[in-house]
Amino acid sequence: NAGVTQTPKFQVLKTGQSMTLQCAQDMNHEYMSWYRQDPGMGLRLIHYSVGAGITDQGEVPNGYNVSRSTTEDFPLRLLSAAPSQTSVYFCASRPGQLYGYTFGSGTRLTVV
Amino acid sequence: GENVEQHPSTLSVQEGDSAVIKCTYSDSASNYFPWYKQELGKRPQLIIDIRSNVGEKKDQRIAVTLNKTAKHFSLHITETQPEDSAVYFCAALYSGSARQLTFGSGTQLTVLP
Repeated sequence: NAGVTQTPKFQVLKTGQSMTLQCAQDMNHEYMSWYRQDPGMGLRLIHYSVGAGITDQGEVPNGYNVSRSTTEDFPLRLLSAAPSQTSVYFCASRPGQLYGYTFGSGTRLTVV
Repeated sequence: GENVEQHPSTLSVQEGDSAVIKCTYSDSASNYFPWYKQELGKRPQLIIDIRSNVGEKKDQRIAVTLNKTAKHFSLHITETQPEDSAVYFCAALYSGSARQLTFGSGTQLTVLP
């Protein structure tokens, strides 16, 4: 049982490049989310999903896309990277509403 | 809108003393309140949570209290140890179509030996 697995752990992008952050969980959790963490700003919700085929926007969705074709996978796509997207990105999953998240180990992204 | 205020932003205590971190929330329909600990360079990890049908929950040296009338909840750590040093985040589950967790901005706890 690996929990929530994120890849890559580190990434440097040039402005305008696109990329996909991968997230997979093996706990059969219906709820999955992507958060970004910036110094002094806590964790901000980017996109979330409540089941396969269902996604919705969070607090800071601009510049990001998601899809949920299976229960296990929830990739986050950066469409055209900008320096403002430099951050640490966490994927998380939970089995239901009244449960806490299990977080992945994070992806540290730098956009230059 | 949805908002979770967390105080203090930094907290230093002597080893063996108690630490208290407080959070307030704005949605009176919120019914789930987890607390996370994040060590430097690591992922946030759930340490304790409370649902709105109880007022207090304990797990060894940590406890969480909930005051629904005042819309605030607190994390209490007793007999602090150096390994308790970390950033602590509170969160609240808001009602409405999103039903997603909103996090506080975090408290850097430092336990001085």
